[in-house]
Amino acid sequence: GENVEQHPSTLSVQEGDSAVIKCTYSDSASNYFPWYKQELGKRPQLIIDIRSNVGEKKDQRIAVTLNKTAKHFSLHITETQPEDSAVYFCAANNYQLIWGAGTKLIIKP
Amino acid sequence: EPEVTQTPSHQVTQMGQEVILRCVPISNHLYFYWYRQILGQKVEFLVSFYNNEISEKSEIFDDQFSVERPDGSNFTLKIRSTKLEDSAMYFCASSESSSGGYNEQFFGPGTRLTVL
Repeated sequence: GENVEQHPSTLSVQEGDSAVIKCTYSDSASNYFPWYKQELGKRPQLIIDIRSNVGEKKDQRIAVTLNKTAKHFSLHITETQPEDSAVYFCAANNYQLIWGAGTKLIIKP
Repeated sequence: EPEVTQTPSHQVTQMGQEVILRCVPISNHLYFYWYRQILGQKVEFLVSFYNNEISEKSEIFDDQFSVERPDGSNFTLKIRSTKLEDSAMYFCASSESSSGGYNEQFFGPGTRLTVL
């Protein structure tokens, strides 16, 4: 079955700097890769997703890249702000949505 | 904006007891899911449901678990005989179509299950 690895587990960046979170997946049949943001005690919320027929997608300060050959995808957040502090999860889907272990993003003022 | 709702927000039960967790998906959605998240860990897929039957289930979803859509609005997860390791946050989600069809899954606020 699918296995998703996510790194780093914790990422601390200065406010205004960029943050990059990386994930790898094992099942080449996976075709949909969402990223979720989860604030403490709250539900996961989709922030961006990418389909397997696209290499990159951008939405304001957030971008995702996908390398199907290498089976990895990354989340890029530019100009980080305090409200970006949360746990971020990547996931890969091939009929089941399999999640990474999460990255705790800390934005230092 | 419509949201997925879940009740109760917190359920405490004794080991061996049955629990039913309830969810009301977004009204025009057709696919429903249950996930669990043990405290501080990743979200784990349990089951997906479409057209009144299970479409996918994980290894976690064993004979102790069942799902049902008893009416046109509710979607329930039943755990027949709870174990200590069932303690977790359970999230319900729904989507307009399956994630195989690339659609966003909307999550409910979760039910925190504590098994004593």
